[in-house]
Amino acid sequence: DQQVKQNSPSLSVQEGRISILNCDYTNSMFDYFLWYKKYPAEGPTFLISISSIKDKNEDGRFTVFLNKSAKHLSLHIVPSQPGDSAVYFCAASDGYALNFGKGTSLLVTP
Amino acid sequence: DTAVSQTPKYLVTQMGNDKSIKCEQNLGHDTMYWYKQDSKKFLKIMFSYNNKELIINETVPNRFSPKSPDKAHLNLHINSLELGDSAVYFCASSQDGWRPGTPEKLFFGSGTQLSVL
Repeated sequence: DQQVKQNSPSLSVQEGRISILNCDYTNSMFDYFLWYKKYPAEGPTFLISISSIKDKNEDGRFTVFLNKSAKHLSLHIVPSQPGDSAVYFCAASDGYALNFGKGTSLLVTP
Repeated sequence: DTAVSQTPKYLVTQMGNDKSIKCEQNLGHDTMYWYKQDSKKFLKIMFSYNNKELIINETVPNRFSPKSPDKAHLNLHINSLELGDSAVYFCASSQDGWRPGTPEKLFFGSGTQLSVL
């Protein structure tokens, strides 16, 4: 039973435009959410996080939005750059372990 | 100066063999993990150790045995390898990841791609 779902396996965006990556979760016990970025042949690296008491967290070009009632979060990248091309994993924590989604492969084209 | 390093990067072996993957972190973190990324790309936790003590042990065959000689090392030993064990195995560490309610910001190694023939 996959508790964190990223339903879009891939996304292609033009350089300079906004990238929106979506994530849904089913477990209402999750209270902390994170996004990780992964390049080929490397491990995932932490990108940005949000606590369940907030609905938005911003860090430079990256903003994460959390809609608790919908059990949905999204990652916005503005403006998108070719170096952002990677697989993005959504993760959720219940204080016990991190539960990851399958990832969304983002391609930013020049 | 890799923060979390795991070896080997690639491991190709025959069914039935026993193999080990080593992991070391130089971040001074208290907690270390093993995650498995299967062919469907799901990243699933296998084990978590805090200060050499087993904290999380998910439903993993007992052919998999983690060993933590000290808090900077968490090795994974796999007995009697099976075809289904083929996956990428990631080691990770965090500072305060095991306590309830504590954010789980993990630092990952680059992965070990295990292929069982």
